[in-house]
Amino acid sequence: AQSVTQLDSQVPVFEEAPVELRCNYSSSVSVYLFWYVQYPNQGLQLLLKYLSGSTLVKGINGFEAEFNKSQTSFHLRKPSVHISDTAEYFCAVIVNTDKLIFGTGTRLQVFP
Amino acid sequence: DAGITQSPRHKVTETGTPVTLRCHQTENHRYMYWYRQDPGHGLRLIHYSYGVKDTDKGEVSDGYSVSRSKTEDFLLTLESATSSQTSVYFCAITPGLAASYEQYFGPGTRLTVT
Repeated sequence: AQSVTQLDSQVPVFEEAPVELRCNYSSSVSVYLFWYVQYPNQGLQLLLKYLSGSTLVKGINGFEAEFNKSQTSFHLRKPSVHISDTAEYFCAVIVNTDKLIFGTGTRLQVFP
Repeated sequence: DAGITQSPRHKVTETGTPVTLRCHQTENHRYMYWYRQDPGHGLRLIHYSYGVKDTDKGEVSDGYSVSRSKTEDFLLTLESATSSQTSVYFCAITPGLAASYEQYFGPGTRLTVT
């Protein structure tokens, strides 16, 4: 069965520092990959997606992610975080179907 | 917000009572989904619909049923609520008439079963 692994349940970081949130998936076939963000007491918002084409994907709020097929990874990065980036981030994958499979989430805490 | 509303937004109910959650969309989307969110599990798919009266089970469908009698409404019913169904429930849609893969989420319903 396909799965998504977010190894870090929490990532603390100081404001203006770079951050990387890790995501690995298990699949031997083509996948579609997504990152979602959830601010406190809100629904999920699509940050970015990889369907095909360039492996470097840019999203909203200055985030980007790189699809690495050989390492089956889709890590999310931001060169300089803000307090307002404090949220939970979910990686998700679709394989062959229209069903999203989510990782367990990474809570990003940005400190002043 | 893709025109998705969920009602109620918060509900407390007792074990053994039936509960129905409503997801309403205003943009004629074909695909609709129900998820539950629990700490340490991310979001898990309960049921989904690919058209009026067309539904299918997801990963955690036991104890839940759904109905879609019209395009704009997708109802999730807990026939006899249990404490293990305390969770935050999210509805989602896929834009348009085809499965475009990206999904957009409603604001969620926090359900507590006592």
